[in-house]
Amino acid sequence: GIQVEQSPPDLILQEGANSTLRCNFSDSVNNLQWFHQNPWGQLINLFYIPSGTKQNGRLSATTVATERYSLLYISSSQTTDSGVYFCAVERSNYQLIWGAGTKLIIKP
Amino acid sequence: GAGVSQSPSNKVTEKGKDVELRCDPISGHTALYWYRQSLGQGLEFLIYFQGNSAPDKSGLPSDRFSAERTGGSVSTLTIQRTQQEDSAVYLCASSSSGLRETQYFGPGTRLLVL
Repeated sequence: GIQVEQSPPDLILQEGANSTLRCNFSDSVNNLQWFHQNPWGQLINLFYIPSGTKQNGRLSATTVATERYSLLYISSSQTTDSGVYFCAVERSNYQLIWGAGTKLIIKP
Repeated sequence: GAGVSQSPSNKVTEKGKDVELRCDPISGHTALYWYRQSLGQGLEFLIYFQGNSAPDKSGLPSDRFSAERTGGSVSTLTIQRTQQEDSAVYLCASSSSGLRETQYFGPGTRLLVL
């Protein structure tokens, strides 16, 4: 089946820094989503981005479907950005295949 | 409106006992998903309901796991004869129509099997 790999697995930054999280997938996909899981476990959808670029405040995402990767950019990071960022892809059906996540810690 | 809710938020049980986990999806959402997340891992798909169609149970790890969705709304995930390896966070999500739609997650039920 399709493989989803995220990097880096862990990232520690100072508040105010910028970061780039990467998601590679092994086959073509119909859908790609980025999620943030906060330290209390709540999962929030950040972007639905099968291709192209989207921005939402300090966050933006780019998916290059032909090259099978997606990037999540976080600018001017804040401590509230801490948590785990997941990439999940959908192929021909509704099932999402999840990466293992990038654990982000933002230090004040 | 209200988001996806799940109950209980935490459940501790003894090995061999049955447990029931409940999910209330967002009103009007026809698609409902159950996932399992083990510590430090990504999510593992368990089961999918779409409207009145037969559910996709392909992700259920064993026949001890079952789920139902009554009236196209509330869903219950049942684990029979729990084992220690069943310990995980069980997450429910709903979306407006299923395919290629944003999924909205509940807070999860943390299950610990002693």
